[in-house]
Amino acid sequence: GESVGLHLPTLSVQEGDNSIINCAYSNSASDYFIWYKQESGKGPQFIIDIRSNMDKRQGQRVTVLLNKTVKHLSLQIAATQPGDSAVYFCAEIPSSASKIIFGSGTRLSIRP
Amino acid sequence: DSGVTQTPKHLITATGQRVTLRCSPRSGDLSVYWYQQSLDQGLQFLIQYYNGEERAKGNILERFSAQQFPDLHSELNLSSLELGDSALYFCASSVVDRAYEQYFGPGTRLTVT
Repeated sequence: GESVGLHLPTLSVQEGDNSIINCAYSNSASDYFIWYKQESGKGPQFIIDIRSNMDKRQGQRVTVLLNKTVKHLSLQIAATQPGDSAVYFCAEIPSSASKIIFGSGTRLSIRP
Repeated sequence: DSGVTQTPKHLITATGQRVTLRCSPRSGDLSVYWYQQSLDQGLQFLIQYYNGEERAKGNILERFSAQQFPDLHSELNLSSLELGDSALYFCASSVVDRAYEQYFGPGTRLTVT
C-alpha cells in the first residue's frame, strides 16, 4: 500500500547532500518530540527522540534540533542516501500522556 | 521487520459491514496502540491498551472498539462501516516506559465499497 500524502510537502535533495526537514509543533507542554520515517508500503519506523529539556540530540547520521522558543523541530540527515527516501513525520507526546500526536509529514525524495 | 504482525494485509468489504483487525505485538511489549492513516487525516491515534486495560483514547469513533487479550494480542473491531473508513490501520507496540519509541506493524489496508 502507498503512504499517505497526496498533499504532503516535498523536499528534493541531491544524493550525498545533507537534508533538513522542518516541523512546527503546537503543544509547548509536550515531554517528548520524535521523528518517524515511513517508507512506501510500510509502517512508520522510529528514528530518534528528544526530550523537551534538550536542544540537540545526535544519532547515526541524524541530528534532531529542538527550539522551544519558536516551537520548531528539525531533523538533519547527513550524506543523504537513496534509502532515505520516505515520508518523515514529526510527532510529540503531551505531558502525562502516552499517545503520540503525529504531524502531517514531509516527503523526502533523493536525486541521483 | 519490526516484530509486530498484523492480519489481514488487505480487506475489502461493503458499507454497513463489520470487520476485525488483528495485531500481535513484539515479544515482551505490554502496550499496544492502534492508528488510522488516511489521505486527508494523516496518522491518527485511535486507542492504546496496556496489559489488557485501556490506557488512552484518541479520536476513535463509537462504531469502533478494541480489546487486548491475556496473550497480549489485540483486535480492532470496526462496525457499520462507511466509505470514509477506508484507510490503512496500523498497530504499534512499545515497552511501558518508552511510549515514544513505538514499533509499527505493516498495517491492514481496509477498503469499504
